[in-house]
Amino acid sequence: EIVLTQSPGTLSLSPGERASLSCRTSQSVSSSYVAWYQQKPGQAPRLLIFGASSRATGIPDRFSGSGSGTDFTLTISRLEPEDFAVYYCLHYGGSPTFGPGSKVDIK
Amino acid sequence: QVHLQESGPGLVKPSETLSLTCTVSGDSVTNGNYYWNWIRQPPGKGLEWIGYMYYSGSTNYNPSLKSRVTISIDTSKNQFSLKLTSVTAADTAVYYCARFFEYWGQGTLVTVSS
Repeated sequence: EIVLTQSPGTLSLSPGERASLSCRTSQSVSSSYVAWYQQKPGQAPRLLIFGASSRATGIPDRFSGSGSGTDFTLTISRLEPEDFAVYYCLHYGGSPTFGPGSKVDIK
Repeated sequence: QVHLQESGPGLVKPSETLSLTCTVSGDSVTNGNYYWNWIRQPPGKGLEWIGYMYYSGSTNYNPSLKSRVTISIDTSKNQFSLKLTSVTAADTAVYYCARFFEYWGQGTLVTVSS
């Protein structure tokens, strides 16, 4: 079973700052099967990135994904007020597994 | 536009079976390009994948839940369903259905309590 670890648990930043969120897998995985989600309170998760680096339809270009092997990163280049949320990574190959999440809150 | 909507009882007694249905619009559950997922989220916690089914009939379940989970498809109603047996309080969660991992329903809270 592949285990996903996300860091930091919480990131406190101001609007306009850059956010970098990490997702590490317990073994090397194909980047084709890594996705990132944003979730706000009371809402379903929203797909941001699939295939490690491809933006989903309608996602602003301030969101970008990168990585390979066991290390993957979601970067938000300049935080907008609506970006403060919880972010999850997902490996959807084999037996899909979500990471525990990283919260981006307002400093 | 693909839309999914979960439905089912909001309260289930311990040891009983949780049954939920997902109604799909904007696509067909017979679309062989995608699988149809169930995912859950306990209150205040993270996401847990439950399992998925292809129209072909093949399934893939979370190993930790496999002995208690059944996912099925009803093509006549364009729906797919989840059954989770022998529930406990630990199964209390918001349950989401999803096409692949792209389109999600809004989720439905199921509480396990006597």
